Amino acid sequence: DQQVKQNSPSLSVQEGRISILNCDYTNSMFDYFLWYKKYPAEGPTFLISISSIKDKNEDGRFTVFLNKSAKHLSLHIVPSQPGDSAVYFCAAKSGGSNYKLTFGKGTLLTVNP
Amino acid sequence: DARVTQTPRHKVTEMGQEVTMRCQPILGHNTVFWYRQTMMQGLELLAYFRNRAPLDDSGMPKDRFSAEMPDATLATLKIQPSEPRDSAVYFCASAQSGGANIQYFGAGTRLSVL
Repeated sequence: DQQVKQNSPSLSVQEGRISILNCDYTNSMFDYFLWYKKYPAEGPTFLISISSIKDKNEDGRFTVFLNKSAKHLSLHIVPSQPGDSAVYFCAAKSGGSNYKLTFGKGTLLTVNP
Repeated sequence: DARVTQTPRHKVTEMGQEVTMRCQPILGHNTVFWYRQTMMQGLELLAYFRNRAPLDDSGMPKDRFSAEMPDATLATLKIQPSEPRDSAVYFCASAQSGGANIQYFGAGTRLSVL
C-alpha cells in the first residue's frame, strides 16, 4: 500500500517556464513533508520541506505548497533551468522525533534548453 | 565538506555469495538509515539506527539481511546468501537528532547479483 504517490513518472518543460511536480499522500498522520532531488549515480539531496502547520514554503526558485484537506502537495520551480533536470522524490514523516521517511517513487523532470 | 561515504560504489557477485556494504555517516550524526532503490518499489527503508541501536528493521528480509553499527563511524549491511532479486542500489543516509529531520544520503552501492 503506497502511502506517498507521485502519479507522474516524468515531466518535460521548457527552460524558463514553471515546473510543477505533484505528490499525494494517504496517511493523515504525516506532519512533515520533504522534497529530494536526485541526479544519476548520486544519492538524493534535500531540496525543501514543509511542516503541516504551514501551507507554503519558499526557497529561491523553489516553492512547496501543502493542501492538507486534499492530502496533496506540489513543488513549483520558477524559472526552470536545464540543471534542474533530475528525479524528484516526495517524502513524508509522522510523529515528532520519528525520523522514518516514506518516499514516493519519484518524477523525472527534464528541462529542455 | 561533510558527506556520507559508502563503499563499494559497485559490486557484482554471484548468487549465494556474501555481500557487505559499508557506510560512514556524517560526523556527529547519530541516526543512520539503510534504503534500497528498485524500479518497481522506489526507495524502501530497510532499517535504521539511533545512537548505534537498531530502532526499526521491519523493511529488511530477516533471513538473509543483517545491519549493524560496530561503532559510531561505521554502519554495515550484509546479505548472506545473496540472490538475483537483491540487485538494486543501496543507499545509506544519516541525520542529526534534534535537527530539521533532514537525511543526508550517500552516493549508494549498486549491487548486481548474477
